[in-house]
Amino acid sequence: DSGVTQTPKHLITATGQRVTLRCSPRSGDLSVYWYQQSLDQGLQFLIQYYNGEERAKGNILERFSAQQFPDLHSELNLSSLELGDSALYFCASSGNRGLGTDTQYFGPGTRLTVL
Amino acid sequence: GQQLNQSPQSMFIQEGEDVSMNCTSSSIFNTWLWYKQDPGEGPVLLIALYKAGELTSNGRLTAQFGTTRKDSFLNISASIPSDVGIYFCAGHAISNFGNEKLTFGTGTRLTIIP
Repeated sequence: DSGVTQTPKHLITATGQRVTLRCSPRSGDLSVYWYQQSLDQGLQFLIQYYNGEERAKGNILERFSAQQFPDLHSELNLSSLELGDSALYFCASSGNRGLGTDTQYFGPGTRLTVL
Repeated sequence: GQQLNQSPQSMFIQEGEDVSMNCTSSSIFNTWLWYKQDPGEGPVLLIALYKAGELTSNGRLTAQFGTTRKDSFLNISASIPSDVGIYFCAGHAISNFGNEKLTFGTGTRLTIIP
């Protein structure tokens, strides 16, 4: 158990819909990262938040947005969903701000299926 | 999105054998990371490398940061059943403008044959 929690575990929705994925970081961690893992694109870094502020941006689509709240939990919002958005979405957290230097602890993931 | 070339794509070995896998890129990275992912779980960091030529061990695992900064290698010695899983490399780079990118490899699936 990494200490990172993600809800829901599974999500099934239809094309065109909007969903929100939630992540609670490990106690004391200030950074939250979001990743997408799909069969064709592999593991892709989406975005990082550090202490409430966006810190680094990866391959995140404009239809996707994220935020980190004062209690440090984070939400990833996916809108106008397409079939290709079906994937595992992971959240990770770390103590500091280093995207490549901090040890990231991954949550168990949310499996999104778009029908 | 971009992915790093990781090989082999899959490996079938017997318990006790040594394993080697590598990751190559056309661009330079400042940090190389190696992760392991078990079925149904998120990746777990195994080794981090911060300097070209660096060789780092973690138990039976040894990883190297290639001298060109465009590749990295992971070796596992005397494999055991719990080594089964998917191994990912990841490269971290910072551009001159301060933009950061973190790119993952395509993964190597390790299976141990009884």
